[in-house]
Amino acid sequence: NAGVTQTPKFRILKIGQSMTLQCTQDMNHNYMYWYRQDPGMGLKLIYYSVGAGITDKGEVPNGYNVSRSTTEDFPLRLELAAPSQTSVYFCASKKTGTDTQYFGPGTRLTVL
Amino acid sequence: QQQVKQSPQSLIVQKGGISIINCAYENTAFDYFPWYQQFPGKGPALLIAIRPDVSEKKEGRFTISFNKSAKQFSLHIMDSQPGDSATYFCAAMIKDSNYQLIWGAGTKLIIKP
Repeated sequence: NAGVTQTPKFRILKIGQSMTLQCTQDMNHNYMYWYRQDPGMGLKLIYYSVGAGITDKGEVPNGYNVSRSTTEDFPLRLELAAPSQTSVYFCASKKTGTDTQYFGPGTRLTVL
Repeated sequence: QQQVKQSPQSLIVQKGGISIINCAYENTAFDYFPWYQQFPGKGPALLIAIRPDVSEKKEGRFTISFNKSAKQFSLHIMDSQPGDSATYFCAAMIKDSNYQLIWGAGTKLIIKP
């Protein structure tokens, strides 16, 4: 199993550009999460999904959108990128009936 | 009420010593308290976790101590090794919130050889 994979690893965007961060898991987990990690601030939940077709906002959803058309994929869309979205983004997944979230390696995004 | 406060921000410990990281919370509805370990350039990975019905959990050199009345929990790393150098995050969860984790700010631990 590859676990949770994220692409790209790094990306530089200009202000106002858009992009999609990809997240795929091959563990057949129903729950998936998107976090951002800023220095000295821990992780903040952006969006989550409890299964295909179901998504909900987390703590910091503004400026982002998600979709969950399959169990495996949970892409995060940034529209009109802003410098405040410079961060490291992590995707995680969790099996129904368990508590442990499994994380991908992250995407480091810089908006200039 | 949804915050988890973690201290210290950074910690330097000699090899073989005990590393202690503390967390405090306010929301008594939290029912699961994990610690995650993160190495540079990697995602966090679960290290050890505890539920509020026990006061201590030990896995190898890693122990969680939990004080329900004080709303505090801590991670103890015994016989700390250079390979333990990483950032450690405490977190808390309410299962009925679709397992959303509330994270502490992290502690950067450096073990000196």
